[in-house]
Amino acid sequence: EPEVTQTPSHQVTQMGQEVILRCVPISNHLYFYWYRQILGQKVEFLVSFYNNEISEKSEIFDDQFSVERPDGSNFTLKIRSTKLEDSAMYFCASSEPVRSGNTIYFGEGSWLTVV
Amino acid sequence: SQQGEEDPQALSIQEGENATMNCSYKTSINNLQWYRQNSGRGLVHLILIRSNEREKHSGRLRVTLDTSKKSSSLLITASRAADTASYFCATDDSGNTPLVFGKGTRLSVIA
Repeated sequence: EPEVTQTPSHQVTQMGQEVILRCVPISNHLYFYWYRQILGQKVEFLVSFYNNEISEKSEIFDDQFSVERPDGSNFTLKIRSTKLEDSAMYFCASSEPVRSGNTIYFGEGSWLTVV
Repeated sequence: SQQGEEDPQALSIQEGENATMNCSYKTSINNLQWYRQNSGRGLVHLILIRSNEREKHSGRLRVTLDTSKKSSSLLITASRAADTASYFCATDDSGNTPLVFGKGTRLSVIA
């Protein structure tokens, strides 16, 4: 079964450093998302991406964050200058166009620890 | 913004019993989805129910949706220890708008 893959599975970084989290969405999907989950808390939406541009973003997704689809398969989330509160599990997700009912498939997540 | 809220927050049952989890939301929705998350792992999609549907089955899962009460329930029949996980409902209000997740129900199935 096709799946969303994410790398790295776990990254530890110093506060202030830049981090890039990588995702390979399901190949025929057109919508891509990043969500995050701080330990013990609920899953929060960060950003959605369609047709090579951001379609929606939350208040969490400030100027420190950016997303990119550098080629036909990868979808990346960059955090420019990490803060302690950025420590969380970051989930990439993808979905087909709306006619499919918008089932969103998630990757296994990237654990980011900022120290 | 709409938000799914699951109830109960935690549920502990014996293997073989049925588990029922509920979800309430605030505004009109397009779809409601249920996900499972094993500890420290990713979100696994279980089932999607559209706003014009009232009930849906998938294996041991049964989902109901009552749009008049803005609520949904997830029933897992004949539970197994492997069903131990957190279960989340998530809603969207139209098209490909972002899913909004609730806080989840932590289900423990004791062998």
